[in-house]
Amino acid sequence: AQKITQTQPGMFVQEKEAVTLDCTYDTSDPSYGLFWYKQPSSGEMIFLIYQGSYDQQNATEGRYSLNFQKARKSANLVISASQLGDSAMYFCAMREGLIGRGANSKLTFGKGITLSVRP
Amino acid sequence: DAGITQSPRHKVTETGTPVTLRCHQTENHRYMYWYRQDPGHGLRLIHYSYGVKDTDKGEVSDGYSVSRSKTEDFLLTLESATSSQTSVYFCAISETMSPGEKLFFGSGTQLSVL
Repeated sequence: AQKITQTQPGMFVQEKEAVTLDCTYDTSDPSYGLFWYKQPSSGEMIFLIYQGSYDQQNATEGRYSLNFQKARKSANLVISASQLGDSAMYFCAMREGLIGRGANSKLTFGKGITLSVRP
Repeated sequence: DAGITQSPRHKVTETGTPVTLRCHQTENHRYMYWYRQDPGHGLRLIHYSYGVKDTDKGEVSDGYSVSRSKTEDFLLTLESATSSQTSVYFCAISETMSPGEKLFFGSGTQLSVL
């Protein structure tokens, strides 16, 4: 079973509007971290935001926020006031488990979502 | 930006030839990873290292080997390259493997196996 599911194949948003990118995850581990990365057309992987499973509040980083719904196992990325530079592929990822070399303590990625911002 | 250098940045090779990709870091991080990125698959872990000479397999390790003789260098070797190994390869590093630890990525290596 996939641990990270990103089902939106491609998203379009008008500049200055908000957009939500969906991510659902699957784990039985009570301790886990959720991450979003951005990959622009230049190819580099850019860390955006992190949410811990025990965090009481949704994470925010500037125009990025994470809509964390633990019971539904979803961690959707919200980008407010979209900019042309937000056009990129976005990856949701999860790291399970405790410190150490456990098999689940590696970062597992979803397949990604392509976001295109229209002027 | 994290000091991670991947070399080469681009490589074209023929089926059956050996290929080695290099990842060099200047951050002194303990953990290093090799991922491959393919359309429709996202990033998938090939191998990772948790210290000098300590490595383990990821989810797509068949056909790949790794070595880490120094903290700063992590090598990925395709012993006999196949067309299915055409991909973009990313090296990443982290200080720990705790749930909240993010990865820093290199710029990637585009490998084409003809």
